[in-house]
Formats: sequence, structure tokens, C-alpha cells
Amino acid sequence: TQLLEQSPQFLSIQEGENLTVYCNSSSVFSSLQWYRQEPGEGPVLLVTVVTGGEVKKLKRLTFQFGDARKDSSLHITAAQPGDTGLYLCAGAGGDMRFGAGTRLTVKP
Amino acid sequence: GAVVSQHPSRVICKSGTSVKIECRSLDFQATTMFWYRQFPKQSLMLMATSNEGSKATYEQGVEKDKFLINHASLTLSTLTVTSAHPEDSSFYICSASSRMVYEQYFGPGTRLTVT
Repeated sequence: TQLLEQSPQFLSIQEGENLTVYCNSSSVFSSLQWYRQEPGEGPVLLVTVVTGGEVKKLKRLTFQFGDARKDSSLHITAAQPGDTGLYLCAGAGGDMRFGAGTRLTVKP
Repeated sequence: GAVVSQHPSRVICKSGTSVKIECRSLDFQATTMFWYRQFPKQSLMLMATSNEGSKATYEQGVEKDKFLINHASLTLSTLTVTSAHPEDSSFYICSASSRMVYEQYFGPGTRLTVT
């Protein structure tokens, strides 16, 4: 079992602010996925990162995979209320395990 | 992206009865399907992993006789909660992946309430 730690667990910010959430592990992953889940719905895949040091951008979201492929970060620029949700990272490499998630609230 | 459906989206059943939840991959062949349980404001808890045509692998602490999983085809897996009790009330989510679609794609979830 690969333990994924996400931080912070909860984050409440005002619209327009920037934020970064982190996903850390002591294990090396062949790939890492980020998902967003809204209440009462299933998680939706945002991105997959595969190469150490890889950076992917999805509009205002920037995802980075650590050089050693043990950690990842998600940076959101100018957050909007529509970004509110539970952000989950999941590492692949043997079993796939999910972190506990970061619950983001963006207030208008 | 790949589409996964779940049915029903909500179900209420009486204590002691059984309920079946279906998970379908609509536009790809899912060699592997996963079943998760999620309590309010918590993350996903993996219950079991099933590969098409073989028995499911259950996580520690998950009763295989209570949560019956069948993955009979490349597009359908079912989870049957047998002899349901109020403590089984939860949000159940399935996901699917394949050799061609490695990432997990999730269904919309099923809200089970046992009265």
C-alpha cells in the first residue's frame, strides 16, 4: 500500500486568490492523477502526469510532478467559486491509492 | 474522456434486504473495475478490485460475503449489498480502467440509504 498525504486538508479562500495543494509520498509512482469531486458526484479526472518534473496546465490549473515522481502539486491561479470541490490525487504503481483529499471552498 | 454510468443513482431499502448496484463502461472495455465507498466529507475508500472474468480482490476489512461483486463482462460490474443494515448507508462509487485507458474513470455514484 502506498500512502499518499495531501495538504492542506481544508482550504477556504476568496475569489481571485491563488492557492497550491500538495500530494506527497515516500513511494515512487509510474504516474499520478488528479481528480476533482463535487458533492454527490463521482470524481472527474483532471490530469495525468507521468514524467518526473513534468508540468501540465489546464486553463488556470497548473500541475507539477516531482523530479523523483514521489510528489505532485496543483496550483490554481485566480480561483473562482466554480473551483470549489474535493481535490484528490491518486498514485499508480502497483495498486492505485487515493489521498485523503483537499476540500477547497472559494467564496465569491 | 471515457464514460462510466451507475444505476441506480439513489436507492432506499429496508434493513435485511439486498440491493444491487450496476456499473457500466459505455465507450470502452473495462478490464478492471473498482468499487469505493465514501462517507460524508471523507475521501474514497477502496472496497474491492475486480478483473473481468475473475474473482474480485477485496480490501482488508471488507466482507466478501456481504458485498458481492461480479464482473462478468468487459462493460459491466455489479455490487450487491446483501442483508443491508443502516450502517451500510453510504455513497458507493465505481470506476473503470483498461490497458488502453489506464486512468480510472468514475461513475456518478449511488447513494444507498438503509432504513
